[in-house]
Amino acid sequence: AQTVTQSQPEMSVQEAETVTLSCTYDTSESDYYLFWYKQPPSRQMILVIRQEAYKQQNATENRFSVNFQKAAKSFSLKISDSQLGDAAMYFCAYRSPGQGNLIFGKGTKLSVKP
Amino acid sequence: DVKVTQSSRYLVKRTGEKVFLECVQDMDHENMFWYRQDPGLGLRLIYFSYDVKMKEKGDIPEGYSVSREKKERFSLILESASTNQTSMYLCASSGGGRGGTEAFFGQGTRLTVV
Repeated sequence: AQTVTQSQPEMSVQEAETVTLSCTYDTSESDYYLFWYKQPPSRQMILVIRQEAYKQQNATENRFSVNFQKAAKSFSLKISDSQLGDAAMYFCAYRSPGQGNLIFGKGTKLSVKP
Repeated sequence: DVKVTQSSRYLVKRTGEKVFLECVQDMDHENMFWYRQDPGLGLRLIYFSYDVKMKEKGDIPEGYSVSREKKERFSLILESASTNQTSMYLCASSGGGRGGTEAFFGQGTRLTVV
């Protein structure tokens, strides 16, 4: 069975600085999808970024980018120019192709200091 | 705009009550999910459904059941609520197949069983 591990329960970053959140996963599949979700205090889970395993190029969405290392089964999220609104729980998630359900890590709580 | 709507944001129920949590999506998605979110445990899958009248157990189905009579609606039922079911419940939906669409989430229902 697939598992997702987020080893940092909490992280802190200074406003305008860069922070990297770690995620590793375990799978025997060669094709899959990876996601980072953000959950602010409002509780609404929002997709931040997604990565297809068959794509070598790392996904980027504005200030958010990933470092996808398939061989190492690592999928870290980099947030550049951190803003106060980035403060939230961040969840890494895995999805098998043809499966709808996501497997989540336990989350990383990110604080942004002004 | 994509929408997954959960019927209540906050709910307080008594031990032994039968509790219904409702979720409606307007995206014509085949897949719908119920997750439970607890601090330090991340999101755990309770039940999911790939089609109307179909359901499959997730990781923690004990004490829960579900109903999907219409494509857009997925209900979570606590047959006899217990205090250990006090938690945050998140509903999600996604498109099916290999498209790898991300899951869209509702705003969550915080259930307290007293």
